[in-house]
Amino acid sequence: EVQLVESGGGLVQPGGSLRLSCAASGFTFSTFWMSWVRQAPGKGLEWVANIKGDGSERHYADSVKGRVTISRDNAKNSLYLQISSLRGEDTALYYCAREGITDNFFDSWGRGTLVTVSS
Amino acid sequence: QSVLTQPPSVSGAPGQRVTISCTGTSSNLGAGYDVHWYQHLPGTAPKLLIYHSTSRPSGIPDRISASKSGTSASLAITGLRAEDEADYYCQSYDNTLSGSVLFGGGTKLTVL
Repeated sequence: EVQLVESGGGLVQPGGSLRLSCAASGFTFSTFWMSWVRQAPGKGLEWVANIKGDGSERHYADSVKGRVTISRDNAKNSLYLQISSLRGEDTALYYCAREGITDNFFDSWGRGTLVTVSS
Repeated sequence: QSVLTQPPSVSGAPGQRVTISCTGTSSNLGAGYDVHWYQHLPGTAPKLLIYHSTSRPSGIPDRISASKSGTSASLAITGLRAEDEADYYCQSYDNTLSGSVLFGGGTKLTVL
């Protein structure tokens, strides 16, 4: 069974930084593109970033480009998201999601980790 | 502002059929890219309902179906049940966006 478990969220002051983690199990992690998707309070889903299975390609949404770095450690079956210069609009539930093998849809999701940016 | 447009809300009585529309543009649905659909209950992991515009993953019942034509797509749920009450999102690829992944704004389905 595919499992994705996010961690690392919390309360952070504006301008601060945070590193989110996602522990994956139940599949061959290194063969799948992985994404981070977020949902701000009262808002819809917003794709944040993704990374190829071997880590050789990464893409970012314009809203976070320059402030976010996605990475992975295939030896640890783990996905990461480093967010810096945090702003109030980064307050959201951050989901880790596995992309489909043939296309960029998301066939498995975690339950999310909450990031709150506030002074 | 999302360029995949969904109605904010739809509703239906138990047993009825409801549809949720997703309207795109020439840079996403109109360019021939597939649409995918998700169900999301607050506090839970989103669930993939439909991929590649019309395909159901294993475990998704056949009372859930979808279609796509040109710049529009729709999700249909027949035999509506109380447990269908949730938020529904369409998602596609957009060739003008950084990273290219695009979600619709979401539709809240209320079962009356």
